[in-house]
Amino acid sequence: QKEVEQDPGPLSVPEGAIVSLNCTYSNSAFQYFMWYRQYSRKGPELLMYTYSSGNKEDGRFTAQVDKSSKYISLFIRDSQPSDSATYLCAISTGGGNKLTFGTGTQLKVEL
Amino acid sequence: DTGVSQDPRHKITKRGQNVTFRCDPISEHNRLYWYRQTLGQGPEFLTYFQNEAQLEKSRLLSDRFSAERPKGSFSTLEIQRTEQGDSAMYLCASSALGAYEQYFGPGTRLTVT
Repeated sequence: QKEVEQDPGPLSVPEGAIVSLNCTYSNSAFQYFMWYRQYSRKGPELLMYTYSSGNKEDGRFTAQVDKSSKYISLFIRDSQPSDSATYLCAISTGGGNKLTFGTGTQLKVEL
Repeated sequence: DTGVSQDPRHKITKRGQNVTFRCDPISEHNRLYWYRQTLGQGPEFLTYFQNEAQLEKSRLLSDRFSAERPKGSFSTLEIQRTEQGDSAMYLCASSALGAYEQYFGPGTRLTVT
């Protein structure tokens, strides 16, 4: 079993839809949670990062963490074609420590 | 302030050759990380520096791989006697001391023929 599980998709939604992307993890030592967006053949771009359980909002993006269930989510409101990319969750046990990534979910937002 | 930069962006080499990649982190970021990403997978951790000290190495980092960060600024990753299985995207990331979020560069895509 992988330490971080993420549905690879692909996920296809119409423009304007609300998108929900999810990861589960097995190690309760994981304490820091990040979401990255990666366009094809580019490096990952940091979207959101959080330490606490609960919600964190930034524009159209909301990151949600439930440590008791070991479950994290990223919500994208009013999705746009430019949001079409692979979304990676990344988790670490402590500040400065290595990141453990999910496999990434490929998202396509269609006109 | 520029982000993390990597050079070259793409490298094609023949099996058995040595290659070296360079990473320049965000200025004043003490921590520097190397990851490897293959198609359809998330990045996998290779190694990590705090200033010039290499603090952790993954078991993925075989003895053909070596990384350095001699003055605590830029870093190099060398692969000796490349194999076809080394074909991947090599990503560098950096973070500030006390922070947990990491910022990635554009990556170096290695193709071993």
